[in-house]
Formats: sequence, structure tokens, C-alpha cells
Amino acid sequence: GDSVTQMEGPVTLSEEAFLTINCTYTATGYPSLFWYVQYPGEGLQLLLKATKADDKGSNKGFEATYRKETTSFHLEKGSVQVSDSAVYFCALMDSSYKLIFGSGTRLLVRP
Amino acid sequence: KAGVTQTPRYLIKTRGQQVTLSCSPISGHRSVSWYQQTPGQGLQFLFEYFSETQRNKGNFPGRFSGRQFSNSRSEMNVSTLELGDSALYLCASSLATSGGAFVTDTQYFGPGTRLTVL
Repeated sequence: GDSVTQMEGPVTLSEEAFLTINCTYTATGYPSLFWYVQYPGEGLQLLLKATKADDKGSNKGFEATYRKETTSFHLEKGSVQVSDSAVYFCALMDSSYKLIFGSGTRLLVRP
Repeated sequence: KAGVTQTPRYLIKTRGQQVTLSCSPISGHRSVSWYQQTPGQGLQFLFEYFSETQRNKGNFPGRFSGRQFSNSRSEMNVSTLELGDSALYLCASSLATSGGAFVTDTQYFGPGTRLTVL
């Protein structure tokens, strides 16, 4: 079945450092891909999405490019802030409209 | 436009009891999906409702059930609670299509209901 694999966390960075969180997927066909973020005590917020190969999703300085050849959707940000500390989930939407999530990656940004 | 709302935000129950959680989708959204989040299993899909019909179901026992009303609001019910049912239950809404060609349908999540079973 379809699946999503994310890098293990936590990822600890200093403020203004460059962020990469790896995400790869296994799926039949070409699913839409998403990044969601979860702050402590809250639900999931949509961060960005891409619906076809080579699409780049972007929001709040975060970017991710849909790479069909490597089945990847890595999340990047050029300069992280303390307020970016959260858990990040990569997900794909399968053919029955349900989201399949990765295990999540916790990001800690130190001042 | 108001986001997805879920009530209650926190619940404490004991084993064997049943519980009902409620979700109000974003205005105009017709599909509601439910997910369970636990530290051990992560985020898992429970079921999805569209136009008062269950359109998709995850791999959960029959103790987990749901329904959707004509105004798109949804409830999920868990009967005979077990300790392992302790989790954050998340509801998500989307515009949804009524069928035909597959179209990406972004899901927007509520804050969740934290259920603790003692």
C-alpha cells in the first residue's frame, strides 16, 4: 500500500540555520503531497502542497518540490526561527481521498 | 471564515464507557474525515463522510462509528472504551467532489479532542 517515510527527529538547529526535513513516498500513480505542521496542544495546519510532478509548494518561507524521479518531497527553509519549533508531517493523498502521514519530525530551534 | 471546530476539547472517560465527539466543518465544506493520533501509531485514518454517507473507512474495529448530518456537521462515537483508545482525535473538512475524476481536495484540520481513558 501507499506509505510515507520521514527522517527521524528531533532536528535541533540554531536560529537562522538552514532546514531540510526529508520525505519520501511509495504510491501507485502520482498522488498529491502535503506538509502539515503541528504546534504543541494544537491540531494540524496545512503548510504547503503540490499536486503534480515538479510543482513547488511554498508558504511562510518554507518550500518543497515534488520530485517524481526520486519520489521525494523534502521540506526546506533558508533561515529558521524559534517560532518554527513544532512537529512537521509529510503526507500523501491516496486515490480514496484519505491522507497517509509520515511519522512526523520534531524541530527544535534554539535562540 | 471560521475554521473547523471540535467539541469538547478534552474528555476523560473510564473503560467500558462510550463517548461522542463532534466536529463542525468549514462553511461550505461537504466532506468530513476523522483521524486518530497516538504516540505509538501516529496519525491513522478512521473514516470519511460526504453527503451524510460514509465514503471510506480505515482499519478500526466496529466500536468506532460516525455519522454526518445534513448541515455537514459530523459526530464520531466510540463504544466500550479501552485504555488504548486514549488519543487525540482530529477532524478535517474539505470541499469534496461528488465523484467523477479524481481531484486533489485539501483537508483542513480542527484543534482535536484529547480523549483520556482511565
